[in-house]
Amino acid sequence: QKEVEQNSGPLSVPEGAIASLNCTYSDRVSQSFFWYRQYSGKSPELIMSIYSNGDKEDGRFTAQLNKASQYVSLLIRDSQPSDSATYLCAVKNSGYSTLTFGKGTMLLVSP
Amino acid sequence: DAGVIQSPRHEVTEMGQEVTLRCKPISGHNSLFWYRQTMMRGLELLIYFNNNVPIDDSGMPEDRFSAKMPNASFSTLKIQPSEPRDSAVYFCASSRPDRVYGYTFGSGTRLTVV
Repeated sequence: QKEVEQNSGPLSVPEGAIASLNCTYSDRVSQSFFWYRQYSGKSPELIMSIYSNGDKEDGRFTAQLNKASQYVSLLIRDSQPSDSATYLCAVKNSGYSTLTFGKGTMLLVSP
Repeated sequence: DAGVIQSPRHEVTEMGQEVTLRCKPISGHNSLFWYRQTMMRGLELLIYFNNNVPIDDSGMPEDRFSAKMPNASFSTLKIQPSEPRDSAVYFCASSRPDRVYGYTFGSGTRLTVV
């Protein structure tokens, strides 16, 4: 059974700090990885995708992928209170265009 | 683009009643997904359509759940009869087959079965 694991949190960081969110997955052949942000009462929205080992940067966000360790992470630099949300790690299933989601990590950024 | 449109936004129904949730995907997206989200289980895939054809319905909980996609711009998820344990937020999402993009989710339907 394909699994995506995340710490539920909450992860609390002060404004301006770096928030580090982690995710592990069980399907060794997975090739596509996504981070979604979900504000309370809202729908998930895509913020990052990563397909190759290494780092991918987009503004204050950096996604990191290590396929050998089956590990994906999201770094948020200069964290803002508006970043407070639940962050969902998602792994695209091989064969189908479906995603398996982790249960998410709640991030709280305090002013 | 209007995004993925779901209706209704909220639904409260009594146990045993039939519930129908509706979804209009983004034009040009050929994949459509129904997910259910609860605190305990997170986001669970219920069914996946590609080009209006159901491809994977292994996540549909039981025969009380059914989904249709009669054309590229409309899908329904029906629960008959509904039970209190079906209470959840139901999301519809659509996507292109391009590997660069993930899903675009609708705003969801919050279903409460009393």
